[in-house]
Amino acid sequence: DTAVSQTPKYLVTQMGNDKSIKCEQNLGHDTMYWYKQDSKKFLKIMFSYNNKELIINETVPNRFSPKSPDKAHLNLHINSLELGDSAVYFCASSQDPVIYGYTFGSGTRLTVV
Amino acid sequence: AQKVTQAQTEISVVEKEDVTLDCVYETRDTTYYLFWYKQPPSGELVFLIRRNSFDEQNEISGRYSWNFQKSTSSFNFTITASQVVDSAVYFCASTIGGATNKLIFGTGTLLAVQP
Repeated sequence: DTAVSQTPKYLVTQMGNDKSIKCEQNLGHDTMYWYKQDSKKFLKIMFSYNNKELIINETVPNRFSPKSPDKAHLNLHINSLELGDSAVYFCASSQDPVIYGYTFGSGTRLTVV
Repeated sequence: AQKVTQAQTEISVVEKEDVTLDCVYETRDTTYYLFWYKQPPSGELVFLIRRNSFDEQNEISGRYSWNFQKSTSSFNFTITASQVVDSAVYFCASTIGGATNKLIFGTGTLLAVQP
């Protein structure tokens, strides 16, 4: 009964590969997010979807493509992986961040070798 | 620029000491919201508190307390009688641009509580 679940938890892959990270929330929230945490622990928003519609798209290489088949799912696909993509990627959801903040998933540690 | 600054990168204390984590924010918005999150060694991000810009009352929750001062643009977090389980990275965050569905985070403060 995990609220926001991400898979896989760990992902090790070679440069140039394409990979996907999946995220699902069972909280009934309308808005979902992807954040990237780099090696220095810095957290930066990448994308946000509200009810399947893209509402935030930060300056992210177009090798990163989010997909939201329904409001409970927000997947992240990454093409042509580079060494600099190595990071922890967090999915989050919120119904009202003002009142409840975000609920984060446990993160996916991506290592590109 | 709108940003959140956590000047303390690492703090080490001994159990039962009190510790304060500093957070200074910059914003052009008249309405904004501030948050603290905890990231324990296991890696998940745990929501601790939210405060809006119109509410400067300090808040206490058990051993945790928060001091919000608009005059100094600060939202500091104090842990009283720290415990080893408090060891984590703590992030301060702020909403930006009135779009409350987006947070910007400070760089985090690593708190190590030694037994």
